[in-house]
Amino acid sequence: DIHMTQNPVSLSAFIGDKVTITCRASQDISRYLGWYQQKQGQSPKFLMYYASNLLSGVPSRFSGSGSGTEYSLTITGIQPEDAATYFCQQCYSYPYTFGAGTKLELK
Amino acid sequence: EVKLVESGGGLVQPGRSLKVSCAASGFSFNDYWMGWVRQAPGKGLEWIGEINQDSSTINYIPSLKDKFTISRDNAQNTLYLQMSKLGSEDTAIYYCAREHSGYGFFDYWGQGVMVTVSS
Repeated sequence: DIHMTQNPVSLSAFIGDKVTITCRASQDISRYLGWYQQKQGQSPKFLMYYASNLLSGVPSRFSGSGSGTEYSLTITGIQPEDAATYFCQQCYSYPYTFGAGTKLELK
Repeated sequence: EVKLVESGGGLVQPGRSLKVSCAASGFSFNDYWMGWVRQAPGKGLEWIGEINQDSSTINYIPSLKDKFTISRDNAQNTLYLQMSKLGSEDTAIYYCAREHSGYGFFDYWGQGVMVTVSS
């Protein structure tokens, strides 16, 4: 199985800050990487696929990058509604696996 | 509007079976791969498996392949997850989700259904 390591486990930021969450795969996943946002008590929301393709309706302050085994999600200009846990998922090989999540809190 | 509504969760005794359902609406159900993901209390997401449009291909996480069965009824726009030999480690919220153009990523999720395995 491909193991996905997310860092940091948690982070705290001010409104307007820029933050980056990283996701490292245990092997090359050729950009088959997606990002999800899960707010407390809600189901996950799909943000991005193929590492950098933003879903329609997702704010442009979210961006993704990466290749090979290293990927990142960046939020530029954090808003109050961005407080959530973010998960990455690889869909390169079965079983598809998720990272353990990064909890973003606002100061 | 795409809607996925799970049902059938609840409290079940260890060793017993349970079948949860997911009613889909707002899209052409038989055009999409569908899948299940679970989340134990306070934990991360675990991919359970997926099923293609005509049920000819079903993929599972190996650790659950002998316990869980994914199926669908396109006439009823419903996805199912049959769970057997349940243990406390299966206590979780179970989400059904639609795949994004069959690429494995899930673009719409249900609200989830809680399954608690306890005596």
